[in-house]
This record gives sequence, structure tokens and C-alpha cells, in this order.
Amino acid sequence: DLQMTQSPSSLSAFVGDRVTIACRASRDIGTALAWYQQKPGKSPRLLIYGASILQSGVPLRFSGSGSGTEFTLTVATLQAEDVATYFCQGYSSGFQTFGQGTKAEI
Amino acid sequence: EVDLVESGGGLVQPGESLRLSCTASGFRFDRRAMHWVRQAPGKGLEWVSGIGVSAGPTKYAASVQGRFTISRDNSKNTLFLKMDSLRAEDTAVYYCVKGRGVLVLGAFDYWGQGIMVTVSS
Repeated sequence: DLQMTQSPSSLSAFVGDRVTIACRASRDIGTALAWYQQKPGKSPRLLIYGASILQSGVPLRFSGSGSGTEFTLTVATLQAEDVATYFCQGYSSGFQTFGQGTKAEI
Repeated sequence: EVDLVESGGGLVQPGESLRLSCTASGFRFDRRAMHWVRQAPGKGLEWVSGIGVSAGPTKYAASVQGRFTISRDNSKNTLFLKMDSLRAEDTAVYYCVKGRGVLVLGAFDYWGQGIMVTVSS
């Protein structure tokens, strides 16, 4: 089995702040990690895959890092439109597991 | 432009069956793995099932193994999810999701708008 644990579960920040969300895997998954953004009432959107590869069309203020069991999503300068819930997803050895989500507020 | 449109949701009683469909357009459907992901009201995301490009392999979450069946018709660019022996805990919005590659394991780059399935007596 594969468990993904995100922290914090929620955060509040100001426009322009640098925001960091952590995701921990229960075992080594290399760089098999994706990040998604889900705005209220909308479908999720892929932001990052392969732990650090920015999906086409995603603003450059979003970045991902990490490998093994520890991963981070960073928003360099938080914008009002970034209000959303963010999910990490590990995909390794037959498992596809999401973290519980981090709700970001302004 | 990639488009994924789900249909077939609704209200059913516990123990009943339902079949979801997803019609895809805007990409080579027969060259991408496809998935179903669900989200219970006010909850997080749960991967349900995935299928490879040639109708195999198929993978399932433990919570639906033996009750749900995923399939695809590449000639009609359509993905299916047959759900049997439905339970109250299957109540959720079900998303049709496109895999980034041909393998069942991987990230998901496009999501449908989702369709609601409610299991209640």
C-alpha cells in the first residue's frame, strides 16, 4: 500500500506571500509525484508531474521539488486566483494515491 | 482541445447497478491510459480504476475491486465504468480522467466536469 500525507491541512496567507505545501510518501516513490489544484466547484487541474515538471500552461510561480518520500509544492508569490485546495498524488508500484488536500485561503 | 464528457450518473438504491460513460475528444484516445477518480461530498480525491490503451491492463482500488469494471471502446472514443452492488459509501462525483501516457500508472492531465452518483434508499 502507499499512503500520502500532506501538511498543513489548511493555510492562510497574504497576496504576494511565498507559500509551501509538503507531501510525504509512506515509502520511496522516486519522482513519481504529481500536484493538482482544485478551485471551488471545479474539476482538478494538473500543475506538476514527475515531482518538478511544470505542466504546460501553468504559471511559473508554481514549482515542485523533492524525491523519495519528501516533496514540496511552492507558490512563489501567492495570487488571489490561487485560492484552492491542492492535492499531491503518488503513482508507484501499482498504486495511485492522493494526499488528503491542503486548502489555501487569502 | 481535449474534452471529456461523463454521463450515466444518478440516484440508485443500495445493491443496485449503474454504468457511467465518458466520451472523449481532442486527442488520440487509443494512445492514452484512462481512469476514473471520485470525490465524495466535501472530501478528497480517490482513484477508482484505470485501463491501458488496448483495454488492458485494468487496475482497481481495493474499495471497488470485484464490484466495479472498467472498459473502453477505442472505436467510439468512449470509456465506461460498470458499478455493481453499489453502497452508500460509493456516493461521490465521478471524474473521467486522461492519463499523461500509455501506462496505467502516472499523472492525470485532463479531467472531465464530473458526474454525481448517489446511493441511497
